[in-house]
Amino acid sequence: ILNVEQSPQSLHVQEGDSTNFTCSFPSSNFYALHWYRWETAKSPEALFVMTLNGDEKKKGRISATLNTKEGYSYLYIKGSQPEDSATYLCASRGSQGNLIFGKGTKLSVKP
Amino acid sequence: EADIYQTPRYLVIGTGKKITLECSQTMGHDKMYWYQQDPGMELHLIHYSYGVNSTEKGDLSSESTVSRIRTEHFPLTLESARPSHTSQYLCASSVDNNYGYTFGSGTRLTVV
Repeated sequence: ILNVEQSPQSLHVQEGDSTNFTCSFPSSNFYALHWYRWETAKSPEALFVMTLNGDEKKKGRISATLNTKEGYSYLYIKGSQPEDSATYLCASRGSQGNLIFGKGTKLSVKP
Repeated sequence: EADIYQTPRYLVIGTGKKITLECSQTMGHDKMYWYQQDPGMELHLIHYSYGVNSTEKGDLSSESTVSRIRTEHFPLTLESARPSHTSQYLCASSVDNNYGYTFGSGTRLTVV
């Protein structure tokens, strides 16, 4: 079973701050890395699916990078807004094609 | 508008009862999944299906069972609920392994 680690566990920032968090995963047998945003009382929403070393993806103020050789991905949020408050999950796809999730980073953005 | 539906959203039930958690999707996805999440913990895969009449157990051992008689429907059943089954259960589907999963809103199950 793959182990996916996320840090920090939680993060409190002020509106307008930029922030980033980390996802670590085993670099062997890597297939894909997923990022999800999970707002309270809603369903997890897919942000990015990344497969290639050096991949960078962007969606509005949110972007992500991928390093498959060393087994990490960063998620960046530029100019955080209160609506960015959510738990951000990363997940690594294993050999059977199923996702292994980390515990998530809970982001709180204060106005 | 949700494309994957889970019912009920919340369920409180007594020990020993049989329960079925419903999951339906309207996107025609072949791949469907059930995840279990305890507070503060990761989502753990308990069952998955890659198509009709295909079901497999996931990484986390579970006393629940699933069926996939129709593409759009992937119900999860507990024959005899116990307090240890208290958890959140999330259903998801995907078109293939290159796309993100679409998740339902989850069922919070409490067994008393």
